[in-house]
Amino acid sequence: DAGVTQSPTHLIKTRGQQVTLRCSPKSGHDTVSWYQQALGQGPQFIFQYYEEEERQRGNFPDRFSGHQFPNYSSELNVNALLLGDSALYLCASSLGGRGTETQYFGPGTRLLVL
Amino acid sequence: AQSVAQPEDQVNVAEGNPLTVKCTYSVSGNPYLFWYVQYPNRGLQFLLKYITGDNLVKGSYGFEAEFNKSQTSFHLKKPSALVSDSALYFCALKAANQAGTALIFGKGTTLSVSS
Repeated sequence: DAGVTQSPTHLIKTRGQQVTLRCSPKSGHDTVSWYQQALGQGPQFIFQYYEEEERQRGNFPDRFSGHQFPNYSSELNVNALLLGDSALYLCASSLGGRGTETQYFGPGTRLLVL
Repeated sequence: AQSVAQPEDQVNVAEGNPLTVKCTYSVSGNPYLFWYVQYPNRGLQFLLKYITGDNLVKGSYGFEAEFNKSQTSFHLKKPSALVSDSALYFCALKAANQAGTALIFGKGTTLSVSS
C-alpha cells in the first residue's frame, strides 16, 4: 500500500519564477492538505482540498494556489517566488475533511529560491 | 487564538531511561491533539492522537501521551528510550469546533537519546 508521494524531492528556482509541486495521496484517501515548513520551524497550514475544491485556507497570500484532480492527487503552485518561500513543502492526505482523522504526510519537496 | 507550545527546544535522555516531551495548548473549545515525529530529511510520521475518551492515549513504537484538560497539556512519554528514538517531535492541535483539516504545530522538540 503506497503512502503519500510527492514530486520533485528537491527544486531550485530564482526569484520571480513560478513552481508547481505535486502530491499523490495515500490509497483510499480523498483529502489533501498542504503545509510549509521553514527551517527550524513547525509546519504551517497552507490549504486543504476536498472534492476538488479548496475548503480551508491558512494565512498565505494569493501567490499560493492549488488544484485537486478527480483521482484525488493535488498540485501546489507558487507564483512570483520570493526568497522567503524557501522551505520544505509537505503534503498530507486523509479520509474525509472533518479533522478527526489522521493526516499522513509525504516526504516533502525541498524548495530553494535564489 | 489557538496555539501550541513546546517549551523545550531539546530533551536529552540516556538509553533505557524514561522520556517526556512536553506540549501545552491554547484553544477555544475542545481540542484534537496529535504527536508526529520527523527524522532528518523526511516527512512527518504519525505517533498518536487524542480526540475524545480515555485521557491516556497509546501510540506507535511504545509512545503514549496523557491529555490533561485542567493543565491544557498533552505530554508525550515513553517508559524506556531507545537511541533510535532520537528525532524531532512535533505536537499539533486542531479545534474540535472548527471545520477542515488545518493543524497548528508547535516549533518542535529535538530528542537526543545517548547510549
